[in-house]
Amino acid sequence: DAGITQSPRYKITETGRQVTLMCHQTWSHSYMFWYRQDLGHGLRLIYYSAAADITDKGEVPDGYVVSRSKTENFPLTLESATRSQTSVYFCASYELAKNIQYFGAGTRLSVL
Amino acid sequence: GENVEQHPSTLSVQEGDSAVIKCTYSDSASNYFPWYKQELGKRPQLIIDIRSNVGEKKDQRIAVTLNKTAKHFSLHITETQPEDSAVYFCASFSGAGSYQLTFGKGTKLSVIP
Repeated sequence: DAGITQSPRYKITETGRQVTLMCHQTWSHSYMFWYRQDLGHGLRLIYYSAAADITDKGEVPDGYVVSRSKTENFPLTLESATRSQTSVYFCASYELAKNIQYFGAGTRLSVL
Repeated sequence: GENVEQHPSTLSVQEGDSAVIKCTYSDSASNYFPWYKQELGKRPQLIIDIRSNVGEKKDQRIAVTLNKTAKHFSLHITETQPEDSAVYFCASFSGAGSYQLTFGKGTKLSVIP
């Protein structure tokens, strides 16, 4: 678990501002994911990436942008934050050999 | 796409009793079903999983069963303890090149001492 880290852990921003959430993993896993967690909705997939420079939309991609220039990093950007994006965001990476998805500690984002 | 339904959303049991959480899935191609435990303020962590070629798997007090025909799988916790209190998520995985997990909405388990 220590191999995947998210920053910041907590963030408060205002409506309309751009925010970037960082995710870094040390395992060199090919697959990485971004989820948001909201009460009553569980974990919903925002975007995922199969490798560097390969990304694809998940269930709730609107308002978010991702990039993956290096295997170890998978930042998530809210281009113009809205109150509905207040949530806890989890990054995850996937170990193919064991078929296990590991989660980062999460970022709690509040949009005022 | 895949849809995973999880029940119940909340569950309270007395310490020492058993707890059962049930999930159904829609995609017959799904072949891997993990369960995650999330304690308050923490990240989800894998506690047990089952593959489609197996009907049951046990790990100490935790077991998971899978019925492929009915497309449902269940988590069973026996001899519950207060430290079992958490939110539990089931998930399904169909592979198909994206390695996405589809999660249920979670079950908040409270074990009453």
